[in-house]
Amino acid sequence: DQQVKQNSPSLSVQEGRISILNCDYTNSMFDYFLWYKKYPAEGPTFLISISSIKDKNEDGRFTVFLNKSAKHLSLHIVPSQPGDSAVYFCAARFLGKLIFGTGTRLQVFP
Amino acid sequence: GAVVSQHPSWVICKSGTSVKIECRSLDFQATTMFWYRQFPKQSLMLMATSNEGSKATYEQGVEKDKFLINHASLTLSTLTVTSAHPEDSSFYICSEVAAGRQETQYFGPGTRLLVL
Repeated sequence: DQQVKQNSPSLSVQEGRISILNCDYTNSMFDYFLWYKKYPAEGPTFLISISSIKDKNEDGRFTVFLNKSAKHLSLHIVPSQPGDSAVYFCAARFLGKLIFGTGTRLQVFP
Repeated sequence: GAVVSQHPSWVICKSGTSVKIECRSLDFQATTMFWYRQFPKQSLMLMATSNEGSKATYEQGVEKDKFLINHASLTLSTLTVTSAHPEDSSFYICSEVAAGRQETQYFGPGTRLLVL
């Protein structure tokens, strides 16, 4: 039973445009949500997080939106850059443990 | 963010041997570390939570006798894959909870294990 889902396995965006990565979850007890960027054979790199009591958090080019009623969160990257090309994982925290989604491969082309 | 190192970065071993993977916190003392595993094209799956000075807690389906975890100091946790088999081949990653930022986990670079 996948508690955290990323339904889009891949996304292709032109440089300079907005990238929107989506994540859905089922457990209403998650208290924090995080986004990580990952390259093959490397550990995930933390990007941004949001508390379950917030609906938006912004850090530079990255903004995370949380819609608790829909159990949905999204990561916006604007403007997208070729260096953003990687696999993005959303993760949700429950009792201190992270549950990861299946990842979305983002490709930013010139 | 926090700095976490892992050693080795990759290892190839014969079936039946044991492999030890080290996870070090380089910039602060971590009372809690986590061990994850990622199979190709799959998500990261939590294996166990490593607590300094006490026994690790394992997730359902993870054999504690096969994956031995030792967290003897505040900066070092080790994962030993005992009697490794080809199905244990995977990417093993540790993480730590950052001091003062309990909501965030910072990950090591990972260790790729290939069991022949």
